[in-house]
Amino acid sequence: QKEVEQDPGPLSVPEGAIVSLNCTYSNSAFQYFMWYRQYSRKGPELLMYTYSSGNKEDGRFTAQVDKSSKYISLFIRDSQPSDSATYLCAMSARFSGTYKYIFGTGTRLKVLA
Amino acid sequence: NAGVTQTPKFQVLKTGQSMTLQCAQDMNHNSMYWYRQDPGMGLRLIYYSASEGTTDKGEVPNGYNVSRLNKREFSLRLESAAPSQTSVYFCASTEQGEWGYTFGSGTRLTVV
Repeated sequence: QKEVEQDPGPLSVPEGAIVSLNCTYSNSAFQYFMWYRQYSRKGPELLMYTYSSGNKEDGRFTAQVDKSSKYISLFIRDSQPSDSATYLCAMSARFSGTYKYIFGTGTRLKVLA
Repeated sequence: NAGVTQTPKFQVLKTGQSMTLQCAQDMNHNSMYWYRQDPGMGLRLIYYSASEGTTDKGEVPNGYNVSRLNKREFSLRLESAAPSQTSVYFCASTEQGEWGYTFGSGTRLTVV
């Protein structure tokens, strides 16, 4: 079993839709939860991060963490064609003095105009 | 613009050739990383440097070596390239290792 599971998609939605992207994980020690956006032929860029459980909102983006279910989500409201990209979840925890940082494989999102 | 700069952007190698991928960051970050990204496999850590003067193996270090030349620069060397090393390579850096990484734009390497 992978430590982080993420549906690869592609997920196609019409412009203006609410998008829900999700990851599940197995290690309860993870404390920081991140979402990265990666455009085609570019490097990933950090969108948001959350510490422990709860919600965090930034404009049209909302990140949710449910540690009891080991489940994290990224919601995109009023989706735009410019949101078309691959979204990677990531999580980290400190083990023996160093950070273990794990990425999901990414979900490809297409927002249709 | 501040960030992580990788060179070259594209490279084609023949099996057995060697090359060095260069990475430099201007954010005064302590930690630097080399990842490879393959379809369906996600980002896999090759080597990392938690601070200047230290390097450690990641998940897939075989066939690679690294050098942390100074605080800004972290290079990745392929001594004898193999087709299995065909991939997109990303360098990343962070000040605080627990959350936000800044990535470069990547090097697309093909080994024939």
